[in-house]
Amino acid sequence: KNEVEQSPQNLTAQEGEFITINCSYSVGISALHWLQQHPGGGIVSLFMLSSGKKKHGRLIATINIQEKHSSLHITASHPRDSAVYICAVGGTTNKLIFGTGTLLAVQP
Amino acid sequence: KAGVTQTPRYLIKTRGQQVTLSCSPISGHRSVSWYQQTPGQGLQFLFEYFSETQRNKGNFPGRFSGRQFSNSRSEMNVSTLELGDSALYLCASSLAVNLNTEAFFGQGTRLTVV
Repeated sequence: KNEVEQSPQNLTAQEGEFITINCSYSVGISALHWLQQHPGGGIVSLFMLSSGKKKHGRLIATINIQEKHSSLHITASHPRDSAVYICAVGGTTNKLIFGTGTLLAVQP
Repeated sequence: KAGVTQTPRYLIKTRGQQVTLSCSPISGHRSVSWYQQTPGQGLQFLFEYFSETQRNKGNFPGRFSGRQFSNSRSEMNVSTLELGDSALYLCASSLAVNLNTEAFFGQGTRLTVV
């Protein structure tokens, strides 16, 4: 079993829909990262969480440390949100353990 | 403020050769981490450097090595290349190593071994 599990692996949505991507982990962590990767490879850090909830524009990330679970929500989805979303967890160093990613396609 | 810069962006090498990849972190960042991304294994941690010292190493053979210079720029080297080393190599920079600060990623170097 992977230490970081994401679901779903693939997600297709219509423009405007509310999207949720889930991440569960089995190791002790200091922080959880949500990353976005577009075709071509570059990775952008969306959030780093150690507790509670964060919001940037249409993106919301939550984490429940007791349940070892995090969710990434996208409100009013848009085709430009199409990308791979990756959950990664870190301990007291910057060594990250990654989930396998969720491929999101938002159709107009 | 310039982001993380990786060079070269694309590279083609033949089996048995060696390769050196470069990563320039964001100004002021002292921690640089390297990751390998392949379709089969996903993203995997290679190593982390802070203040010219390797702080962590992932489960990769000794053919993979790295170093960090006094200006925080980092290089990774892969010797005796194998076909399976074909991957996207990403580096990320952070302010510090023990504070679990936000990681900023470069665009990556796509290495193809033929």
